[in-house]
Amino acid sequence: QVQLQESGPGLVKPSETLSLTCTVSGGSTSRYYWGWIRQPPGKGLEWIGYIYYSGNTNYNASLKSRVTISVDTSKNQFSLKLTSVTAADTAVYYCARPNSGYWYFDLWGRGALVTVSS
Amino acid sequence: DIQMTQSPSSLSASVGDGVTITCRASQSISNYLNWYQQKPGKAPKLLIYAASSLQGGVPSRFSGSGSGTDFTLTISSLQPEDFATYYCQQSYSTPYTFGQGTTVEIE
Repeated sequence: QVQLQESGPGLVKPSETLSLTCTVSGGSTSRYYWGWIRQPPGKGLEWIGYIYYSGNTNYNASLKSRVTISVDTSKNQFSLKLTSVTAADTAVYYCARPNSGYWYFDLWGRGALVTVSS
Repeated sequence: DIQMTQSPSSLSASVGDGVTITCRASQSISNYLNWYQQKPGKAPKLLIYAASSLQGGVPSRFSGSGSGTDFTLTISSLQPEDFATYYCQQSYSTPYTFGQGTTVEIE
């Protein structure tokens, strides 16, 4: 079955760039949308954005100026970059697959905790 | 942005009890409403999509209803594995937004 796995640094310094990759195993990134959602410790869920395998993106306006999501279909991976991070960006970051009909998230990675601290 | 408000924020119940969680949207979202279950340290798990459709593999004691602005998630008979936090999510328009969560605790 299709599985998602996040990877990347667990600690990022303030003002630097957070970079995470999600590897899709057991399936292909082609012909699907792929997204990112985050959850600050002890808090609720925030949608970050999604990308289609063709490269079309849709970002949360609250983060749009700092977010880039990209996809590499040859590696079956998609990635998140968040620039100029602050402590408020400390969160568990989930990669997930949105269904393109009703836009629910039916497949999730385990999550990666990223802490922003000097 | 569409605001999603869940009630209650937490509840205590016993195994076998029926439980209802409510989610209200700040504007009409038709049936673009989804429900997730999250256990500590785990990713959310999709339970219900399109307000009332049960995701494959989810027990039939879970059900969803509603349309427009008011929605409910019902667990007909709580099982030990159901103690968790539940989130609603609107997928009517971006940015997709989630409710603040309802924690179901053991009484």
